[in-house]
Amino acid sequence: AQSVTQPDIHITVSEGASLELRCNYSYGATPYLFWYVQSPGQGLQLLLKYFSGDTLVQGIKGFEAEFKRSQSSFNLRKPSVHWSDAAEYFCAVGPSNDYKLSFGAGTTVTVRA
Amino acid sequence: SAVISQKPSRDICQRGTSLTIQCQVDSQVTMMFWYRQQPGQSLTLIATANQGSEATYESGFVIDKFPISRPNLTFSTLTVSNMSPEDSSIYLCSVEAGDTQYFGPGTRLTVL
Repeated sequence: AQSVTQPDIHITVSEGASLELRCNYSYGATPYLFWYVQSPGQGLQLLLKYFSGDTLVQGIKGFEAEFKRSQSSFNLRKPSVHWSDAAEYFCAVGPSNDYKLSFGAGTTVTVRA
Repeated sequence: SAVISQKPSRDICQRGTSLTIQCQVDSQVTMMFWYRQQPGQSLTLIATANQGSEATYESGFVIDKFPISRPNLTFSTLTVSNMSPEDSSIYLCSVEAGDTQYFGPGTRLTVL
């Protein structure tokens, strides 16, 4: 069975500082991996995805993520956060054949001035 | 990509009643999904709805409680039946397009 663990429930970061959100997955084959962001009162927006190829993927809003098979991780990073990055971030994993996603518990990011 | 709209955006309902949530997509898609996000929690897949076939429900979800319709390739409905306060959640519709799932804005349901 597939599963996702996001070890950090809540992260507080200063505006302009770097951000890294952790994601560990469990899946028997090569997974499809996703990061979504949910701003207050909003739906989920796709930040980036990994299927295959280059293990460092670039997404929207200046985010990137690195797939590390040996560590079963897909951590999300941003070099310099903006106040608008305050939101909840979800990592998700799914197989390629039926697209059913399993989501992590989410990490809430607070940005302080 | 796909643009998804949901109606209603929110509702407050009395226990024992039912609510039907509509999901409209701006393009034809084969696979549509319904998720539930309980307060302060992550998303849980309720069912997969493919046009022309019965919806497939995940463990813990049954058709009598969450009947789903999928009349065409751009539209689906989810009904939450005989509601109780435990059904208070955000219900999200999503579609698969280009190996990616896109999500609607969600329907925030409060059951009193």
